[in-house]
Amino acid sequence: AQSVSQHNHHVILSEAASLELGCNYSYGGTVNLFWYVQYPGQHLQLLLKYFSGDPLVKGIKGFEAEFIKSKFSFNLRKPSVQWSDTAEYFCAVKAAYTGGFKTIFGAGTRLFVKA
Amino acid sequence: AAGVIQSPRHLIKEKRETATLKCYPIPRHDTVYWYQQGPGQDPQFLISFYEKMQSDKGSIPDRFSAQQFSDYHSELNMSSLELGDSALYFCASSFRLAGLNTGELFFGEGSRLTVL
Repeated sequence: AQSVSQHNHHVILSEAASLELGCNYSYGGTVNLFWYVQYPGQHLQLLLKYFSGDPLVKGIKGFEAEFIKSKFSFNLRKPSVQWSDTAEYFCAVKAAYTGGFKTIFGAGTRLFVKA
Repeated sequence: AAGVIQSPRHLIKEKRETATLKCYPIPRHDTVYWYQQGPGQDPQFLISFYEKMQSDKGSIPDRFSAQQFSDYHSELNMSSLELGDSALYFCASSFRLAGLNTGELFFGEGSRLTVL
């Protein structure tokens, strides 16, 4: 079955530190990849997405992610985090299966940025 | 830009009562999804509809049902509520690009259900 793994459940960083959140998926076919962010008390919002083309995608608020097909990975990065980046980050994968497709979410990574 | 609209935003019910949540997708979005997010948990897929037909089913309890109407809005009906149903219920919608669903979901702000 398809699955999405996020390596860290909790990450604590100081402001200006660099961030990398890991995401791996298990699916051999064509995928669309997403990172969503959920700020405290809010709904999920799209950070960035990859459909095709340049495997390095840039999203909002200085985030970027790199799709490495050989590693089935789509890690999220930001060179310098801010306190306002404190949120939960979800990696998601759209994978086709017989009869349709699913968007599968990872378990999420809670990021806490210390001011 | 118009977003996904959910109502009510907050709902308090007692055990064994029923509740109905509504979702209005972004205009021209043809697919609606329901997710349940318990405290400190990731969103769990419940059910989805495409063009008013159920397109996929996840971990939706038998006590719950949902449908999509001709105007594409969707309702999630929950009966015999249990304490464990307390959660944030998200609706999301998506559209097709060149005939294919990209899988990108646009989320509403959620309906917070508290069961006492």
